[in-house]
Amino acid sequence: GAGVSQTPSNKVTEKGKYVELRCDPISGHTALYWYRQSLGQGPEFLIYFQGTGAADDSGLPNDRFFAVRPEGSVSTLKIQRTERGDSAVYLCASSRSGNQETQYFGPGTRLLVL
Amino acid sequence: AQKVTQAQTEISVVEKEDVTLDCVYETRDTTYYLFWYKQPPSGELVFLIRRNSFDEQNEISGRYSWNFQKSTSSFNFTITASQVVDSAVYFCALSEANQGAQKLVFGQGTRLTINP
Repeated sequence: GAGVSQTPSNKVTEKGKYVELRCDPISGHTALYWYRQSLGQGPEFLIYFQGTGAADDSGLPNDRFFAVRPEGSVSTLKIQRTERGDSAVYLCASSRSGNQETQYFGPGTRLLVL
Repeated sequence: AQKVTQAQTEISVVEKEDVTLDCVYETRDTTYYLFWYKQPPSGELVFLIRRNSFDEQNEISGRYSWNFQKSTSSFNFTITASQVVDSAVYFCALSEANQGAQKLVFGQGTRLTINP
């Protein structure tokens, strides 16, 4: 079956602009996660959804970052007033449920803020 | 607090050599899960193994093996008879079962280069 997909694969934007990153999880997976990976680092947790609700958003760095999952499937990560420091690869993962099930990752969106 | 340390930033070996990637973790929970992921140059994280804290049996899958030792809080990964296709960045990760968050905490990764 299809894995986790993310669009776009690359996004270049200017400082101050608004961006949306999309994640399509594996069909039937109720849990969805966003991570951010800076160059040379391991991924860092941003937010976790169980169904439609954000069960844990403790990793979002500030209020410029927001994510939604209105129908419990596709999720969108939204970044307002982008800053150069937001440049990173944004990874999405999904799992069958939230009970420490294995998380399967998408290919990521590489965001570059100029 | 959770923490994962991969002290080896980069390892380079010649093909067919055995190589071990170290992972040390910190957690206050008695129930937790450990993972290894592979990130090839394409960038996608590929799941390799998941192990819960109550199962200390070593695991072997083909040329890959994992050694879990709670006494030293380590979960090391060995590749036997390495191949060029094993070249990638490898991440060890921890998830605490008692937290509602389900998040993975990753180490910094070890970049493994297998030279022909």
